Amino acid sequence: AQSVSQHNHHVILSEAASLELGCNYSYGGTVNLFWYVQYPGQHLQLLLKYFSGDPLVKGIKGFEAEFIKSKFSFNLRKPSVQWSDTAEYFCAVNALDNDMRFGAGTRLTVKP
Amino acid sequence: GAVVSQHPSRVICKSGTSVKIECRSLDFQATTMFWYRQFPKQSLMLMATSNEGSKATYEQGVEKDKFLINHASLTLSTLTVTSAHPEDSSFYICSARAAGGLREQYFGPGTRLTVT
Repeated sequence: AQSVSQHNHHVILSEAASLELGCNYSYGGTVNLFWYVQYPGQHLQLLLKYFSGDPLVKGIKGFEAEFIKSKFSFNLRKPSVQWSDTAEYFCAVNALDNDMRFGAGTRLTVKP
Repeated sequence: GAVVSQHPSRVICKSGTSVKIECRSLDFQATTMFWYRQFPKQSLMLMATSNEGSKATYEQGVEKDKFLINHASLTLSTLTVTSAHPEDSSFYICSARAAGGLREQYFGPGTRLTVT
């Protein structure tokens, strides 16, 4: 069965630190990959997505993610986090049958 | 971790019929549940937010008479698609938020609705 793993449950960083959130999935076929963010008290927002082409995807707010097919990974990165990046981040995988699977989420806390 | 289930995972119905989707929080009490819809290769779209014991709040453009939401208990919310049409075919995802926390929002696995 298709599954998505986010390894970090809670990440705490200071402002200006670099961020990398891990995401791995278990599905051998073609997938679409997403990162969503949820700020406190708000609903999900799409950060970025990968369908095909350049495996390095740039999203909103300075975030990027790299799809490494051989590692079944789609890690999220940001070179310098801000306090306003404090949020919950969800990786999601959408296989050919269009059923979306989400990771459990990673809570990011950025200390000012 | 907290678990949210949805039932059914897939459903096929005929045009004009109604279909009910259940969202359950299995090991926590959910004061708020969210219903999302996702079209192929698109991001989730929030349809409505429901608070236990009160009427759901629908997002702009979502027909409340078509998508009936009931959140009758702290562990169950239902979405009923009434008089379904093929354009209602989509992937519906619920999420649940526990009482007393801003971050504890857990997503169900989704329900694939196909209207023929």
